[in-house]
Amino acid sequence: AQSVAQPEDQVNVAEGNPLTVKCTYSVSGNPYLFWYVQYPNRGLQFLLKYITGDNLVKGSYGFEAEFNKSQTSFHLKKPSALVSDSALYFCAVRSYTSGTYKYIFGTGTRLKVLA
Amino acid sequence: NAGVTQTPKFRVLKTGQSMTLLCAQDMNHEYMYWYRQDPGMGLRLIHYSVGEGTTAKGEVPDGYNVSRLKKQNFLLGLESAAPSQTSVYFCASSYTSAGRGRNQPQHFGDGTRLSIL
Repeated sequence: AQSVAQPEDQVNVAEGNPLTVKCTYSVSGNPYLFWYVQYPNRGLQFLLKYITGDNLVKGSYGFEAEFNKSQTSFHLKKPSALVSDSALYFCAVRSYTSGTYKYIFGTGTRLKVLA
Repeated sequence: NAGVTQTPKFRVLKTGQSMTLLCAQDMNHEYMYWYRQDPGMGLRLIHYSVGEGTTAKGEVPDGYNVSRLKKQNFLLGLESAAPSQTSVYFCASSYTSAGRGRNQPQHFGDGTRLSIL
């Protein structure tokens, strides 16, 4: 079965410090991985994706993610955190079952950037 | 460019009442999805549709029904609301699996916050 795990419920980081939000996955075949961000009272917004190619993927708002096949991980990173980055972050993997694409989401990690 | 629009944004129901949540998208997406979001559980797929006139069950379909009579609309119905259905409901849409759209992400609405007393 395909799955995604976000091992940390919350990550705290000081403004200006680098941040990492962890995600590991389990899929059969090639992984298609996504990161989304959710601000209060809003829907999920797409940040970045890994389909194929370079292991370092760059996305919106200065975020990037590193795909590591041997560790089955897709960690979200940013070199210098902003208070405005505080939000809920979801990792997702796209699965293909019975001719249909579906998305499996992790449980989310709340990022708090402290001024 | 509205994207994905959900109505209503908030609703309070009594146990046993029924209601319909509406999702509309203006991006000509083939796929549409309904999720519920509960604390500590991420997003769970309720039902989805791969095209007009077709629907399928997701991970947690019990107590819900859906219809996709028009490509741009996806309705989620609760026939007899229960307190366990108190949640935030999100609709999403995406392109089909073929062609240039196959690797595109989902687009989400801003959610419907539903409380059942």
